[in-house]
Amino acid sequence: GDSVTQMEGPVTLSEEAFLTINCTYTATGYPSLFWYVQYPGEGLQLLLKATKADDKGSNKGFEATYRKETTSFHLEKGSVQVSDSAVYFCALRAGYSSASKIIFGSGTRLSIRP
Amino acid sequence: EAQVTQNPRYLITVTGKKLTVTCSQNMNHEYMSWYRQDPGLGLRQIYYSMNVEVTDKGDVPEGYKVSRKEKRNFPLILESPSPNQTSLYFCASRPGTGVTDTQYFGPGTRLTVL
Repeated sequence: GDSVTQMEGPVTLSEEAFLTINCTYTATGYPSLFWYVQYPGEGLQLLLKATKADDKGSNKGFEATYRKETTSFHLEKGSVQVSDSAVYFCALRAGYSSASKIIFGSGTRLSIRP
Repeated sequence: EAQVTQNPRYLITVTGKKLTVTCSQNMNHEYMSWYRQDPGLGLRQIYYSMNVEVTDKGDVPEGYKVSRKEKRNFPLILESPSPNQTSLYFCASRPGTGVTDTQYFGPGTRLTVL
């Protein structure tokens, strides 16, 4: 079945460091891909998305490119801030019916040191 | 403000005592769903609803019930809670008509079953 695998955390970085969180997926067809972010004590928020191969999603300095050939959607940011500390979830939605569900990875906790 | 609300935010109960977690959205979304979040497992879908009076099981429906009598509300019912239902629960909604629809999450309900 469809699945998402993302790198295990926690990931701890210093402020202004470069961030990569790896995400790979398995899906039939052509899924849409998402990154969600969960700040402490809050629900998930959509961070960015990409709906077809080679699309790049971007938001708040984060980027991810839909790579069909490697079935990947790695999250990157050039210079992280303390406020980026959160849990990040990679997700996919396969299928085109209104019932198709979103499948989440297990989440990666990111901590940024001042 | 467009939002998904859940109540209560925190709940401690005992085994076997029926409880209901409410969920409401003000965006006129057709699709609503419930997830549970457990460490290392990401989010798993419990139930979903495509519209009023239309509900279906997700990946982990055992021990839960839902109803969708009004478009805006989608309560989660635990008839006889057990300790393995201790978890963080999220309600979510999306318009339901497009493959790239953004899904909106509530703030979460942390449930402890003793």
